[in-house]
Amino acid sequence: AQKVTQAQTEISVVEKEDVTLDCVYETRDTTYYLFWYKQPPSGELVFLIRRNSFDEQNEISGRYSWNFQKSTSSFNFTITASQVVDSAVYFCAVPDGGATNKLIFGTGTLLAVQP
Amino acid sequence: GAGVSQSPSNKVTEKGKDVELRCDPISGHTALYWYRQRLGQGLEFLIYFQGNSAPDKSGLPSDRFSAERTGESVSTLTIQRTQQEDSAVYLCASSFGLAGDTQYFGPGTRLTVL
Repeated sequence: AQKVTQAQTEISVVEKEDVTLDCVYETRDTTYYLFWYKQPPSGELVFLIRRNSFDEQNEISGRYSWNFQKSTSSFNFTITASQVVDSAVYFCAVPDGGATNKLIFGTGTLLAVQP
Repeated sequence: GAGVSQSPSNKVTEKGKDVELRCDPISGHTALYWYRQRLGQGLEFLIYFQGNSAPDKSGLPSDRFSAERTGESVSTLTIQRTQQEDSAVYLCASSFGLAGDTQYFGPGTRLTVL
């Protein structure tokens, strides 16, 4: 069955520090997608990235970057030069793989960026 | 364009009352999902709609929970005889329904059962 593990429950950094959020997944599928979402204090889940398992190239979007390693079933997320606005809970997710495509979420990592 | 909207944003009710939560998906999205998020926890799947049909209701915690979708658009999640353990944020998401499609989430409804 699909499973997502986010071992880091809480991380606290000082502004401008780099921070990496870990995500380890399990899937029975040979091809699959992986997702990261951000949940700021307002509560709404904001989509950050979708990655296809075919594509193992790292992706960079501004201060955000993602490192996908199929060999270790990891999809880690790095924020460079963190800012207070990055404070949020971050969720990694993988689709269930069945017909419904429902998402299986990790338990989330709470990132607190101190000024 | 308009995102997923949900109403009400907050609902406080007394134990034993029925509540209805509404979700308006992104226009053109055929797939609609309901998830529940208890305080400090991750999201748990409740139900999935493809069009107006619900082929997967496996996450509904009890027969007090039901949902419907009409016009391949609006969905309503109904909780009957609410219990305190139903207190949570109920999130709705929609997508085009193809494998691996991105799900876009609404702001959620925070339900508090006193």
